[in-house]
Order: sequence, then C-alpha cells, then structure tokens
Amino acid sequence: GAVVSQHPSRVICKSGTSVKIECRSLDFQATTMFWYRQFPKQSLMLMATSNEGSKATYEQGVEKDKFLINHASLTLSTLTVTSAHPEDSSFYICSARWGTEISLHFGNGTRLTVT
Amino acid sequence: GENVEQHPSTLSVQEGDSAVIKCTYSDSASNYFPWYKQELGKRPQLIIDIRSNVGEKKDQRIAVTLNKTAKHFSLHITETQPEDSAVYFCAANLRAGGTSYGKLTFGQGTILTVHP
Repeated sequence: GAVVSQHPSRVICKSGTSVKIECRSLDFQATTMFWYRQFPKQSLMLMATSNEGSKATYEQGVEKDKFLINHASLTLSTLTVTSAHPEDSSFYICSARWGTEISLHFGNGTRLTVT
Repeated sequence: GENVEQHPSTLSVQEGDSAVIKCTYSDSASNYFPWYKQELGKRPQLIIDIRSNVGEKKDQRIAVTLNKTAKHFSLHITETQPEDSAVYFCAANLRAGGTSYGKLTFGQGTILTVHP
C-alpha cells in the first residue's frame, strides 16, 4: 500500500529556533500534500495544501512566513516552523494523494515541543 | 468552505454494544466521506469511506450510512470491543477538482470508550 514517511517523529527545540519536518511518499508520486496541525484533544486543522513545483496554498489564519512549505519533488514536501515559540508546540501531520485518487495517506506525525 | 459537525464528543459503551457517531456537512458538492480512527500519538487510520453515489457501505463490524438530502452521514460499530477505544473523526472533502482536490475538513472527533 501507499506509504508516507514523516521525520522526525519527535523534536524538542528552544524558542526562537527553526525546525524542519520532512514528508516523503515512498512508493508513489504525491500530486498533492496536505499539512495538518493537531493540538491535544482537538481535531486536525488543515494548515496548507502543497502541489509539486508550485507555491503552497495556506488556510486562513496560517502565517505563510512562519510555516514555510516546500514541495520540490513529487515525493518530498517539507514544513519549516521558523522562529518557533511555545504556542507552536503541537502534533504536525502530513498527508499525500496522487492522480485522481481522492483518499489520503497520512504520515506518522511529528510531535513538536518548543521550550 | 466546508463545515463538518460531529456528535457526540464522547461516547462510552459496554463491550458488545453498538456505537453510533453522526456527522453533518455543509457543502452539498462534497462527494467523499471518510472515517478515521486515531489512537493517542498516532496518525489517523482510515477505517471506512463512502462516496456520494452510495447510501450505505459495510465492512465487517463497521458500517457507514449517507443521507445526501439531509447532508449527514453516520458511523456504526457493532459488537464493540475494548480495542475499538480511540478517537474517531469524520471528514468531508471540498468539491472535486483544481489544486485542492482531496482537501478534507475534519469533524471535531469522538472519544469512544468501550468498557470490558
């Protein structure tokens, strides 16, 4: 089946530093990747939609200069949290789809803790 | 945009009982409705999905029903087991097409607890 690999699974960083999260589709070419954020005991909130070779589309209220998304190839998308603050601590999950397939395949998620 | 409401927020049942979770959506053009099970600290796992041209779908103990007219869909779990305990999310996609194809809006989630 379709596998999406996300790294790192956990990261702890100091306030003010930047963190990069990678999302890779291992056995398919991801036409579109989605980045979600999930706070404890809450639902998944879409942050942005990423299509290969084009700029990401951000949801309302998500700062594009703070959450930098790069989708340079059909198998890799990265999310960089710049100048992280404690309120950015959350569970970040990527998902990917390809072609006309509508179902999503999720990565394992990254638990970010900003101290 | 699409808005998805999910109820109840928590559901507690005895092992062997049935569990029903309901969702409503706002965009009549939505045509794909997946259900996910998420265990603590893990990724959502697709357990069943239904498309708008189907009214009901069943997979062993799990079934989903869709009422397009009323814009609501439900998850039914029969003969519940303790390992069914998790958070369940419904979702609906935006209308198909364009660069947002496959974009899902999630419900608020239901914490299901199955007591042995």
